[in-house]
Amino acid sequence: DSGVTQTPKHLITATGQRVTLRCSPRSGDLSVYWYQQSLDQGLQFLIQYYNGEERAKGNILERFSAQQFPDLHSELNLSSLELGDSALYFCASSPGVLGANVLTFGAGSRLTVL
Amino acid sequence: DAKTTQPPSMDCAEGRAANLPCNHSTISGNEYVYWYRQIHSQGPQYIIHGLKNNETNEMASLIITEDRKSSTLILPHATLRDTAVYYCIVRVPTGANSKLTFGKGITLSVRP
Repeated sequence: DSGVTQTPKHLITATGQRVTLRCSPRSGDLSVYWYQQSLDQGLQFLIQYYNGEERAKGNILERFSAQQFPDLHSELNLSSLELGDSALYFCASSPGVLGANVLTFGAGSRLTVL
Repeated sequence: DAKTTQPPSMDCAEGRAANLPCNHSTISGNEYVYWYRQIHSQGPQYIIHGLKNNETNEMASLIITEDRKSSTLILPHATLRDTAVYYCIVRVPTGANSKLTFGKGITLSVRP
């Protein structure tokens, strides 16, 4: 157990639907990162939050949005789902302050869009 | 972040040392070398990181050349459970913007 909790582990839904993935960071970590891993792609950085504020954005589609709440958990919202959104979605957390800032990853949420 | 180059794959026998190379010839003075691995469909796992000195922990050793243009991750006694994709990443670690940019990594296959 890495200390980063992601729910749900598996999710099957239909095209056009909307889903929410949830991430609870490791205790004490202030930064949360979201990554997408499709079958034919590597790990793609989507977005990062630090203590509730967006800090970095990667190749995140406009149909996707995220936020980090005051208790530091984060949610990734995926809407108007397409077949190509089927992927593993990983959340990671890090202390976010000076230091090595090692990222700790969760076990991922597997999204299947039918 | 500096770009890294890794061979696509390698294999080694169980119980032997696995030496995974990484080139990062454009690394700058304040960038660290990080290694992560991803066992099939699991979340990436941190292994080790270093700046210029060699580092060792319970999982592996990291050897960085004196000019810092390349490094080697050493798994001293590889087991079947070490079969995974290993990523070498170079980045400045400090501050609130510390995302990791993953390349293709090197697939290590440990054979019985």
